[in-house]
Amino acid sequence: EAGVTQFPSHSVIEKGQTVTLRCDPISGHDNLYWYRRVMGKEIKFLLHFVKESKQDESGMPNNRFLAERTGGTYSTLKVQPAELEDSGVYFCASSQTRGTDTQYFGPGTRLTVL
Amino acid sequence: AQTVTQSQPEMSVQEAETVTLSCTYDTSENNYYLFWYKQPPSRQMILVIRQEAYKQQNATENRFSVNFQKAAKSFSLKISDSQLGDTAMYFCAFMGQNNAGNMLTFGGGTRLMVKP
Repeated sequence: EAGVTQFPSHSVIEKGQTVTLRCDPISGHDNLYWYRRVMGKEIKFLLHFVKESKQDESGMPNNRFLAERTGGTYSTLKVQPAELEDSGVYFCASSQTRGTDTQYFGPGTRLTVL
Repeated sequence: AQTVTQSQPEMSVQEAETVTLSCTYDTSENNYYLFWYKQPPSRQMILVIRQEAYKQQNATENRFSVNFQKAAKSFSLKISDSQLGDTAMYFCAFMGQNNAGNMLTFGGGTRLMVKP
């Protein structure tokens, strides 16, 4: 069974540009989460989808971040326009039916904003 | 809000020896879940062990075991017979059962180096 995959693995962009990160969860997992770790700090929660619905987006830093999960399968996280402080590693995780099920993580996307 | 603290930013251990990584947390909830995740240098973060707070028995997975002290809000990870492949960042994480979003709250991580 394939694990959680993320694309790209690394992205380098200029300040003000747009970047879209993609996450493919484990097949059959209803719950999909986005987290990020900025340099030297803890991994922080961004948002949680249950199927195609946003269950909790309390961790989204501002309106420059837009997450979607059309059809309840893969998810995208768009940053527009990117700022220097957005640099970090963005992780996606998925879990099965219940929200308290174990979350399985993808390898992360390292975003560098210059 | 919950907080998770890992007081050891870096640790090292000789191969075949035992090492314990510490984790403390703060919560007002009674039912919750605790996790240890491992992120090797290749970056994929994987689950090491999971503990439900309502279970008194400490979770064990092969060479990995936890010492869960609910009253003290402590959740340490013991790695026995350390192997070179155990070299990684280790993250302690908390999930509240009453939290509608079921988000994980992470500690800052402990970088473990296993030396030959």
